[in-house]
Amino acid sequence: GAVVSQHPSRVICKSGTSVKIECRSLDFQATTMFWYRQFPKQSLMLMATSNEGSKATYEQGVEKDKFLINHASLTLSTLTVTSAHPEDSSFYICSAAPQGINAAFFGQGTRLTVV
Amino acid sequence: KQEVTQIPAALSVPEGENLVLNCSFTDSAIYNLQWFRQDPGKGLTSLLLIQSSQREQTSGRLNASLDKSSGRSTLYIAASQPGDSATYLCAVGIQGAQKLVFGQGTRLTINP
Repeated sequence: GAVVSQHPSRVICKSGTSVKIECRSLDFQATTMFWYRQFPKQSLMLMATSNEGSKATYEQGVEKDKFLINHASLTLSTLTVTSAHPEDSSFYICSAAPQGINAAFFGQGTRLTVV
Repeated sequence: KQEVTQIPAALSVPEGENLVLNCSFTDSAIYNLQWFRQDPGKGLTSLLLIQSSQREQTSGRLNASLDKSSGRSTLYIAASQPGDSATYLCAVGIQGAQKLVFGQGTRLTINP
């Protein structure tokens, strides 16, 4: 149980385009999901908390207009990187957990390369 | 603001040795602590989860301890193998346990 699936696992896009990353909870409902980012040779940093049916909460320094988060259902959150630039190239990974479970379950991650 | 530090940043040991990775955190008000493994270019593999009320957890050759009062955790790896080579991440759960603050990781190399 508690499987989180992320898609795509790898994406290359041109500078200026937008990219959508999906995070799905496969066998449970998740009212909250979390999006993290990892730059090369650095650790994971929380970007935002995705809340089902309401606005996402962004961490300090993360541009909400650039990283659009939509959590329209209890099993799906999407992160859209708008007008991507090479500095947005990073590893993006989401997490979620069933209600009442004090742990975090991670998707496989998405490696974004902007050329 | 919670900060998590891992020491050492990198470690290289011969196969068969027992080793300890260290993790410290500044705020003892945590819900849990998780140790993860990350292989190059890959996602996270959860190794051990210690709830705030627990002192340690064991899985096979791995043992993790938690001392909340001193803000420390250790990951003990027994009889290390080349396949254990990876980056090990420590993360503490805050604000409801699912939100994590990560350390910078320890890059472990086990030499055959």
